[in-house]
Amino acid sequence: EPEVTQTPSHQVTQMGQEVILRCVPISNHLYFYWYRQILGQKVEFLVSFYNNEISEKSEIFDDQFSVERPDGSNFTLKIRSTKLEDSAMYFCASMAQGGGVQFFGPGTRLTVL
Amino acid sequence: EDQVTQSPEALRLQEGESSSLNCSYTVSGLRGLFWYRQDPGKGPEFLFTLYSAGEEKEKERLKATLTKKESFLHITAPKPEDSATYLCAVKGGTSYGKLTFGQGTILTVHP
Repeated sequence: EPEVTQTPSHQVTQMGQEVILRCVPISNHLYFYWYRQILGQKVEFLVSFYNNEISEKSEIFDDQFSVERPDGSNFTLKIRSTKLEDSAMYFCASMAQGGGVQFFGPGTRLTVL
Repeated sequence: EDQVTQSPEALRLQEGESSSLNCSYTVSGLRGLFWYRQDPGKGPEFLFTLYSAGEEKEKERLKATLTKKESFLHITAPKPEDSATYLCAVKGGTSYGKLTFGQGTILTVHP
């Protein structure tokens, strides 16, 4: 069964450093999303991406964040200068065209020291 | 702004003891209500989608129902392997697919 994959599973970084979180969405899906979940809190929407551009973003997704689909299979989230409060689980999700269900990856745990 | 509230925050059941989880929502033009299961340290796993009031979906021991203001996830004769956090999320009419999640209900089923 096709699934969303994410790498790395755990990333530890120093405050101020840049990190790139990687996702491989389900093949043939066209809508891509990033969410985050701070420990003990709700899953929060960050950004949606379709047709090589951002279609919607939340207030959390400020100038420190960017997304890219560098090739036909990967979808990345870059945080330019990490802050302590960026520590969270980051989930990638993808959705087929016309389909309503978002399928989530296993997540990347980001720890900012 | 779309809002989702789940109750209770935590639920402890004995194996075989049926119960229900509640998800109350406010949304502009519901385009779908979604139930996910989340195990510790893992990503949300899709369970059900409901689109209109009166709709019901069933899978093994789980049954999801939808009204205009809330959804219920009924668990019949649960087993210890049903222990997880159950998340409810809505997709509103003004979004491009953004899901708004509730806090979740942590279900523990004791043998």
